[in-house]
Amino acid sequence: DAGVIQSPRHEVTEMGQEVTLRCKPISGHNSLFWYRQTMMRGLELLIYFNNNVPIDDSGMPEDRFSAKMPNASFSTLKIQPSEPRDSAVYFCASSFSDGATEAFFGQGTRLTVV
Amino acid sequence: GENVEQHPSTLSVQEGDSAVIKCTYSDSASNYFPWYKQELGKRPQLIIDIRSNVGEKKDQRIAVTLNKTAKHFSLHITETQPEDSAVYFCAASRGNQFYFGTGTSLTVIP
Repeated sequence: DAGVIQSPRHEVTEMGQEVTLRCKPISGHNSLFWYRQTMMRGLELLIYFNNNVPIDDSGMPEDRFSAKMPNASFSTLKIQPSEPRDSAVYFCASSFSDGATEAFFGQGTRLTVV
Repeated sequence: GENVEQHPSTLSVQEGDSAVIKCTYSDSASNYFPWYKQELGKRPQLIIDIRSNVGEKKDQRIAVTLNKTAKHFSLHITETQPEDSAVYFCAASRGNQFYFGTGTSLTVIP
């Protein structure tokens, strides 16, 4: 398996534009996480899916953020409209939902909103 | 939810010395505690983990200890090398939700 795959690796967009980040989890993993990483706030959990169902989205900053997982092999994180303060590295991670297995991270998407 | 605190936020050691990073957690139901290393510009990767039925685990120069009563766990790196320089994150997990500490930036000075 190639691991967790995220795209794009880098995204530069103008304020107000819609941004969509994509993630393909490791095959067989049934838990998927979206994290945002900044210098100020570290790694923040945005949302967590189990078996394609959103379980905890309390970390989603506001209504401009939305996430979907239409099937076990694909998830998206959308920001609409984007703002400069959304600039960060966004990581997707996946794991087995047995409560005691590591989460594997993708390479991340570096988002810059100008 | 769970609250994980990590200290120190930055740590500098001389090559060959030991480094210790400490974390506390709030939810007594947490039962899995992984440690991740993140090199500059790269993804976090697991370096060692410990489960709640174990008090200590060692893997070469890296060891982790867990005190469930006090709700704290620590990472110990001995004989540090320049390639150990990175950001280290602790995490606590219950029911497969991972909560991360804020990270420790470790610099090993040659």
